[in-house]
Order: sequence, then C-alpha cells, then structure tokens
Amino acid sequence: AQKVTQAQTEISVVEKEDVTLDCVYETRDTTYYLFWYKQPPSGELVFLIRRNSFDEQNEISGRYSWNFQKSTSSFNFTITASQVVDSAVYFCALFSGGYNKLIFGAGTRLAVHP
Amino acid sequence: GAVVSQHPSWVICKSGTSVKIECRSLDFQATTMFWYRQFPKQSLMLMATSNEGSKATYEQGVEKDKFLINHASLTLSTLTVTSAHPEDSSFYICSAREIGYEQYFGPGTRLTVT
Repeated sequence: AQKVTQAQTEISVVEKEDVTLDCVYETRDTTYYLFWYKQPPSGELVFLIRRNSFDEQNEISGRYSWNFQKSTSSFNFTITASQVVDSAVYFCALFSGGYNKLIFGAGTRLAVHP
Repeated sequence: GAVVSQHPSWVICKSGTSVKIECRSLDFQATTMFWYRQFPKQSLMLMATSNEGSKATYEQGVEKDKFLINHASLTLSTLTVTSAHPEDSSFYICSAREIGYEQYFGPGTRLTVT
C-alpha cells in the first residue's frame, strides 16, 4: 500500500523560530520519489523539492532543509528562522512506478506570527 | 518551462447546470493528465487519470457520468461537471506529465455552485 502520513495538522510559531514538518511514508517499491509542496492561500501548489529513493543526502536551500531517512521512512522538512511569508499548507507526496500515482499526505498548516 | 494553465480560475454556476474546466500544458506535450479535487482544509484527492486519446481512468468513488474528462490532444484536457450541485463546490486542480514521474500542476479552479 502507498501511504503518506503528516501527523501534524497545524503548527503555530512566532517569527524567527525554527520549525520541522514531519512526513512518514509507506511503499513496497524500491524506486520511488518524495516531494514537498507549499500551498499558499491562493491555492496554487508550489514545488519545493524532489528526492528519489536512492539519494539519501540531506539538502539545504536557503532557510529550507530536508532530512531523508530510509531507515525510518521519513522525509522531514525544516524551516529555519521562519517568516510570516512561510505561512501556508505544506504537503508531502509520494510517487512510485508500481503505483504510478502521486499520493499526498493530509498536509500541515503552518502559521507564522509576527 | 513546464507551465500548466487552467481556465477559468474561478466559476460560479447555478445548481443543475454544467461547467467545463480546461487544463493546458503550454510548453510540453502532456501524455498524461490528472484531475484532483480539494475540499477546504483537506488534501488533494485524485479524481481521474487521462491519457491522450483514450478514456480516463477514474478513482474509486468518483462518478464518471458526473465528471466527464476529455483528453483530446497532447496539450489539452477538460473536466466537465455535469448537473452541478452545491456539494460539487470545490477547488479543482489539474496536473500534466510528459514522461516519467514529474508532474506539473495548474493553478486550480475554484467552483462554487449556488
């Protein structure tokens, strides 16, 4: 079965705090891709990152960083020094060739307060 | 590159009428297009997958006679909500894929049925 779990429904932080969004996935395929998307109030999905199952290197892009651990089937996303503009819903998603569909987690709503 | 457009961005229609939503890949040929539905504060749920020139494959629980999908060309797919009712009010998002796993999302269409 293919499944993505984002256990945190809502997170509220004060500006400049660091925040980590959790993502746990399930798949039987050995080749798969993991994604993070941001959905601001406008509704348009913004692609943030893609990782394939063979690349466990962590990635940093500005204030964003991602920690991929196959041993725990997790692909967590950290925002350092959060800003009000980071307020949005963040989705983790999984694609595998065997299933051939992109499966989304329930999303985490992040509110960053000034 | 890899831009997907949707039209209209929002639409209001009366109960019982039909409404058509267009999804276009602007700079690539989309062999496969996907239609998602998103209710407020919920995740994206895949409704159907369509391949150019063939019938769409609907997810379990999606009424194919109510949500008509046509993928007549490599750059255009349409979703027609027939005999719309207030419960069909939702945010509809399309995505397009050329080959492999990479999907590009449209900006979404907000449908309100009165």
